[in-house]
Amino acid sequence: GALVYQYPRRTICKSGTSMRMECQAVGFQATSVAWYRQSPQKTFELIALSTVNSAIKYEQNFTQEKFPISHPNLSFSSMTVLNAYLEDRGLYLCGARGQGASDYTFGSGTRLLVI
Amino acid sequence: GEQVEQRPPHLSVREGDSAVITCTYTDPNSYYFFWYKQEPGASLQLLMKVFSSTEINEGQGFTVLLNKKDKRLSLNLTAAHPGDSAAYFCAVSAYNNNAPRFGAGTKLSVKP
Repeated sequence: GALVYQYPRRTICKSGTSMRMECQAVGFQATSVAWYRQSPQKTFELIALSTVNSAIKYEQNFTQEKFPISHPNLSFSSMTVLNAYLEDRGLYLCGARGQGASDYTFGSGTRLLVI
Repeated sequence: GEQVEQRPPHLSVREGDSAVITCTYTDPNSYYFFWYKQEPGASLQLLMKVFSSTEINEGQGFTVLLNKKDKRLSLNLTAAHPGDSAAYFCAVSAYNNNAPRFGAGTKLSVKP
């Protein structure tokens, strides 16, 4: 079946430092990868959508300068939180979708704590 | 862009009662609709995926209703039990498969 693995599961970083998280699709080709953030007590905000052979599309309030994303092949994507501060803490979720699929398969998330 | 509103933010029911969570959306091109369950400290578990062409979908212990005219999606848990206590999120995406947009979530508490 289609699975998405995210790692690390949990991480702590010092305020002002950066943190890279990874997303691996298994069992299908991840044509599109969407990254979300769930801040404490909030919903899942879409950060950006990456589609192979297209430019990465960032949502309002999120920028490539702050959340650079790499999607080098059909099984892997990574996102970095640059210069992390307290407001960046939360659960970061990646969802991947194959060509022609109707829904995204989500990973378990990377929980980021900033101290 | 798509706006998804979810109500209520909190819901408390007794075991055996029904619980109804509703989402409204704005984009007329919305085509795929999802309900997810998130248990404390965990990620998302897909409960049901609904296509625009179907209006009533039944799962194990719940029913999902889609009213395209009113742009309304609802999740009805029949005979809720304590194991249903969790956060529930609706999500909506367009036919061209843009990434789904999530509602704000509903924290459901089922008391014995």
